[in-house]
Amino acid sequence: GAVVSQHPSWVICKSGTSVKIECRSLDFQATTMFWYRQFPKQSLMLMATSNEGSKATYEQGVEKDKFLINHASLTLSTLTVTSAHPEDSSFYICSASGGEPMDYGYTFGSGTRLTVV
Amino acid sequence: GESVGLHLPTLSVQEGDNSIINCAYSNSASDYFIWYKQESGKGPQFIIDIRSNMDKRQGQRVTVLLNKTVKHLSLQIAATQPGDSAVYFCAEWGAAGNKLTFGGGTRVLVKP
Repeated sequence: GAVVSQHPSWVICKSGTSVKIECRSLDFQATTMFWYRQFPKQSLMLMATSNEGSKATYEQGVEKDKFLINHASLTLSTLTVTSAHPEDSSFYICSASGGEPMDYGYTFGSGTRLTVV
Repeated sequence: GESVGLHLPTLSVQEGDNSIINCAYSNSASDYFIWYKQESGKGPQFIIDIRSNMDKRQGQRVTVLLNKTVKHLSLQIAATQPGDSAVYFCAEWGAAGNKLTFGGGTRVLVKP
């Protein structure tokens, strides 16, 4: 089955530093990858959609200069949280699809717990 | 179905009983629905999906029902087991463009 690997699983960083999170599709080519953010006891909120080789599409209210997304290949997308602050602490989850979700489905990574101190 | 809740409703179920989790959605343009299971500290795990041209789909121990008239989706889990304890989310595709939008989630606690 389709596998999405996300690294790191958890990271602690100092306020003001940047953190990069990787999302890889291991056994399929992901034409589209999605980045979500989840606060405790809440649902997943879509941050942005990235397509290989093009700029990411950000949801309303998500700062594109703060959350940099790069989808350089069909198997890798990265999310960089720049100048992180404590309010950026959250659970970040990526998902990937090989095509139309109804045909290829959606596969989620295992998530990254970011704590900014 | 698309809102973010400040708390998760909880469904307590006796082991061996059936569970029913409900989800309401607001946009009739939704094409596709998926139920996910999320355990603590992990990403969502696919359970079952259904297209908008269907009203029922069955998997192993799970059944999804779709009522488009009242915009309601449900997940039924037969013979609930301790391993079913998790948070369950419904998600829909199509109403807001080419993206998956999640509902608020329901926590299922299975009592031995």
